[in-house]
Amino acid sequence: AQKITQTQPGMFVQEKEAVTLDCTYDTSDQSYGLFWYKQPSSGEMIFLIYQGSYDEQNATEGRYSLNFQKARKSANLVISASQLGDSAMYFCAMRGFRGSQGNLIFGKGTKLSVKP
Amino acid sequence: NAGVTQTPKFQVLKTGQSMTLQCAQDMNHNSMYWYRQDPGMGLRLIYYSASEGTTDKGEVPNGYNVSRLNKREFSLRLESAAPSQTSVYFCASSKDRVNTEAFFGQGTRLTVV
Repeated sequence: AQKITQTQPGMFVQEKEAVTLDCTYDTSDQSYGLFWYKQPSSGEMIFLIYQGSYDEQNATEGRYSLNFQKARKSANLVISASQLGDSAMYFCAMRGFRGSQGNLIFGKGTKLSVKP
Repeated sequence: NAGVTQTPKFQVLKTGQSMTLQCAQDMNHNSMYWYRQDPGMGLRLIYYSASEGTTDKGEVPNGYNVSRLNKREFSLRLESAAPSQTSVYFCASSKDRVNTEAFFGQGTRLTVV
């Protein structure tokens, strides 16, 4: 069965510093995708970054980068130069394929608080 | 650009009442999902639909039914609401390919008293 684990319920970071949010996953699929979403206090789900299982390079999107270590089954999100607006819940998610099925499952999330 | 539209945004039900949460997407996506979000539990998949006319159970399907009558719409029904179903419900949709993100509705905050 597929599983996403986020072991940090809450994290604090000083404004302008970098922070790493941990995510490990378990799957038997050969092809899968890993995603990070941000959920601010307003409640909407915002897609941040994607990493494919066959991608050789780590994904980057502006201040977001994904530290993908396939052998360790980890897909950590790195936020550089934290801003106050980065305070939110962050969810790691995975989508794999078995035949035509492509369930998208989520971890329990990490609440990031950025301190001024 | 409507994206994924969920209705209603808020709902209060009495125990035993029924209701249907509506979800529609205008992005021509095959895959649609229903999740519930509870504090400390993340988003848990209730049901998933890979295409029109097909549905599959997710992690927490008990107490829910779904219907995918056409490509655009995926509804979630609570036949007899229970306080344990108090939650925030999200509908989402995506293309079939593994490398495409899901788009989410704004959520429905449901309280069962």
